[in-house]
Amino acid sequence: NAGVTQTPKFRVLKTGQSMTLLCAQDMNHEYMYWYRQDPGMGLRLIHYSVGEGTTAKGEVPDGYNVSRLKKQNFLLGLESAAPSQTSVYFCASITESVGTYNEQFFGPGTRLTVL
Amino acid sequence: DQQVKQNSPSLSVQEGRISILNCDYTNSMFDYFLWYKKYPAEGPTFLISISSIKDKNEDGRFTVFLNKSAKHLSLHIVPSQPGDSAVYFCAASGLGTSYGKLTFGQGTILTVHP
Repeated sequence: NAGVTQTPKFRVLKTGQSMTLLCAQDMNHEYMYWYRQDPGMGLRLIHYSVGEGTTAKGEVPDGYNVSRLKKQNFLLGLESAAPSQTSVYFCASITESVGTYNEQFFGPGTRLTVL
Repeated sequence: DQQVKQNSPSLSVQEGRISILNCDYTNSMFDYFLWYKKYPAEGPTFLISISSIKDKNEDGRFTVFLNKSAKHLSLHIVPSQPGDSAVYFCAASGLGTSYGKLTFGQGTILTVHP
């Protein structure tokens, strides 16, 4: 099991460029999440998905779009990158709850710099 | 409004001693509280959790205490080891429609000296 993988690991963009971050999980998890982490702050939820074909906004969704066309993949898109989107992006997945909280698995992160 | 706060940016302890990391929260609707450990250039990894209906959960060297009346939780590591040096995040979540949506604290950098 690879767990949660993220592509790419690093990327440098110019302001106004677009890109897509790919998250893949091989644990057959229903729920997937995108977070960003900025210096001195905890991770903040951008968007999430509770199943194939569904997406919803998190705490900081502006400037991002997402898609979940396949259960194992969750894509995060930046249509027009801004310097404020310089951050480390983490993807996570978790299986459905049966009344308790299950372990949530995180990917290794993508470090994005927007110049 | 930050719903989960870790007020100590860093903590330094000697190997073999106890490490105590603290976390405060404001939202009384949280059902679960979790601790994650993060090494540089890696994603967070789950350490231990506690349900809001309990006041203590133990797993080996790690114990989490929850004080609901004070809206405070703490992670105790005994004995501390140099390999425990990492950033520790406190997080909170719920069940139902909040399930899986973690609210994180800012993190505490733990350094364990040999």
